[in-house]
Amino acid sequence: AQSVTQPDIHITVSEGASLELRCNYSYGATPYLFWYVQSPGQGLQLLLKYFSGDTLVQGIKGFEAEFKRSQSSFNLRKPSVHWSDAAEYFCAVAPSGGSYIPTFGRGTSLIVHP
Amino acid sequence: EADIYQTPRYLVIGTGKKITLECSQTMGHDKMYWYQQDPGMELHLIHYSYGVNSTEKGDLSSESTVSRIRTEHFPLTLESARPSHTSQYLCASSRGQGGPGANVLTFGAGSRLTVL
Repeated sequence: AQSVTQPDIHITVSEGASLELRCNYSYGATPYLFWYVQSPGQGLQLLLKYFSGDTLVQGIKGFEAEFKRSQSSFNLRKPSVHWSDAAEYFCAVAPSGGSYIPTFGRGTSLIVHP
Repeated sequence: EADIYQTPRYLVIGTGKKITLECSQTMGHDKMYWYQQDPGMELHLIHYSYGVNSTEKGDLSSESTVSRIRTEHFPLTLESARPSHTSQYLCASSRGQGGPGANVLTFGAGSRLTVL
């Protein structure tokens, strides 16, 4: 079975600063990888996904993530954070066969200071 | 523009009451899911469905039940609510066929349940 670790519960950055949220996964083969964002009182929205090919994927709202097979990581990055990026961010991994059902990490809460 | 709708958004009820959380989607997705979300914890899958008349239990044991009589509708029911059921419940859907797109989930806004 797959698993996801998001080691940071909270991350605080200043507006305009760069951001990196960490995600490590455990899965026997190459998985499908996702980042979702959840604003207060809302459901989760897909930011970006990796299925195959180029290991640097671009998403919505200026986010990108890089798949590093050797490190079993899929870290999310943004070069300049905006106050509206304050939210909860979830990394997810899904098997590339079988049920395809994704497993989610516990989330990282992003706080943006003006 | 939400394509998946959850009602009620907020519910406060007393112990022992029966409740049903509604979830409907307009995308024609075959797969639907219920996740339980508590602060600082992983989203735990409690139920899922591959299609009409298909329901499966997820990773987290739950006293709730689900049904899938129509493709677009996937309600969750608690026969007798208890304070331990207090949580946020997220409904999601994805297209059913295999391949990468099958596990891209679209989520509803959630139903926050408080049992007194």
